[in-house]
Amino acid sequence: ILNVEQSPQSLHVQEGDSTNFTCSFPSSNFYALHWYRWETAKSPEALFVMTLNGDEKKKGRISATLNTKEGYSYLYIKGSQPEDSATYLCAFLHNYGQNFVFGPGTRLSVLP
Amino acid sequence: GEEVAQTPKHLVRGEGQKAKLYCAPIKGHSYVFWYQQVLKNEFKFLISFQNENVFDETGMPKERFSAKCLPNSPCSLEIQATKLEDSAVYFCASSQGTSGTNEQFFGPGTRLTVL
Repeated sequence: ILNVEQSPQSLHVQEGDSTNFTCSFPSSNFYALHWYRWETAKSPEALFVMTLNGDEKKKGRISATLNTKEGYSYLYIKGSQPEDSATYLCAFLHNYGQNFVFGPGTRLSVLP
Repeated sequence: GEEVAQTPKHLVRGEGQKAKLYCAPIKGHSYVFWYQQVLKNEFKFLISFQNENVFDETGMPKERFSAKCLPNSPCSLEIQATKLEDSAVYFCASSQGTSGTNEQFFGPGTRLTVL
């Protein structure tokens, strides 16, 4: 059974703070890692698709890094805004199927 | 369409009844995925399709659950003889290519309540 973990489970930050959280996944048979942003009652929205060790991707104030050898990815948010409040999900894809394993998510609340 | 569409939005069934959920992927996307999200737990992969062919069904319960993606029709997920523990939000997602390099676009979900 593949295990994908995310930490912390939840996070409260003040507007303007920068923050980061972690996704841990199996380091063997890696194929891809996806990050999604999910607001309650809405559909998850793709942030990043990461495939190469050492990848670093950026979208506005959000960026992500990938270390496939040690099995982790970091998501960074610079200068958090209240609209960043959401659950951030990572999903791991191994190299022998199309069977995504999602982490439990990190719930971020940005206080104005 | 430009969005993944799922119907119905809500579905209520008595225990033992059949439930059928539909998903229309984004036009041009050849991969479809179904996920089950129970309460606030993580998304559980059920099954994926490449066009009308099952691509990976390792997450599908062996009994009672079935899914299809037929040409020129919405994809469907059917649960025979629903049980209380089937209550969940069922999300469908589609992608243009394999998920190694292609993001998935999610639908709004169907909330199934089994009473």
